[in-house]
Amino acid sequence: KAGVTQTPRYLIKTRGQQVTLSCSPISGHRSVSWYQQTPGQGLQFLFEYFSETQRNKGNFPGRFSGRQFSNSRSEMNVSTLELGDSALYLCASSPRVAGQETQYFGPGTRLLVL
Amino acid sequence: AQSVSQHNHHVILSEAASLELGCNYSYGGTVNLFWYVQYPGQHLQLLLKYFSGDPLVKGIKGFEAEFIKSKFSFNLRKPSVQWSDTAEYFCAVSSMDSNYQLIWGAGTKLIIKP
Repeated sequence: KAGVTQTPRYLIKTRGQQVTLSCSPISGHRSVSWYQQTPGQGLQFLFEYFSETQRNKGNFPGRFSGRQFSNSRSEMNVSTLELGDSALYLCASSPRVAGQETQYFGPGTRLLVL
Repeated sequence: AQSVSQHNHHVILSEAASLELGCNYSYGGTVNLFWYVQYPGQHLQLLLKYFSGDPLVKGIKGFEAEFIKSKFSFNLRKPSVQWSDTAEYFCAVSSMDSNYQLIWGAGTKLIIKP
């Protein structure tokens, strides 16, 4: 099976702009989780989508939003970008079936906000 | 709230040395336990996982981990490290209490001197 894919891989934006990141999960996986990874904060959970519904949410401001489509692909949107949003954004997919909660990660999108 | 603690943020070893990375979690109920590895420039990969059964779990590349329920620990071990093991290692825990969302440790950066 193909792994988790994320596009774009690299992105440069300026403060105040908005950005949309995309994630395609492993075929058959219905859950997609998003994380922010920074050197100082480690891995911070943003949200999880399962069957087009947000299932879990981390402690991020409303500028961070997401959605999931019927084919399980997911997008994450960050509006009104701030310098502190510069990070590696990781997507992980999972079957999310009892006993099969393992998450598999994509390569990430590295976002730089200037 | 649950938490995961990784005892060492940085570890430096020489090749052929033995490795043990500590991981402790705070939840008292049934847990799923994971170790992930992130090699330089690569995405997070699953090293090993424990859901139930034998508390000694073997993973890829010669790594193993032991679940000790009484100590709330899931330490990662390797008897003889190689230069190629240089990476960042993350411990993660999920449970019904977290709605099976992964709770992450801060990570341990391992440097192997050739």
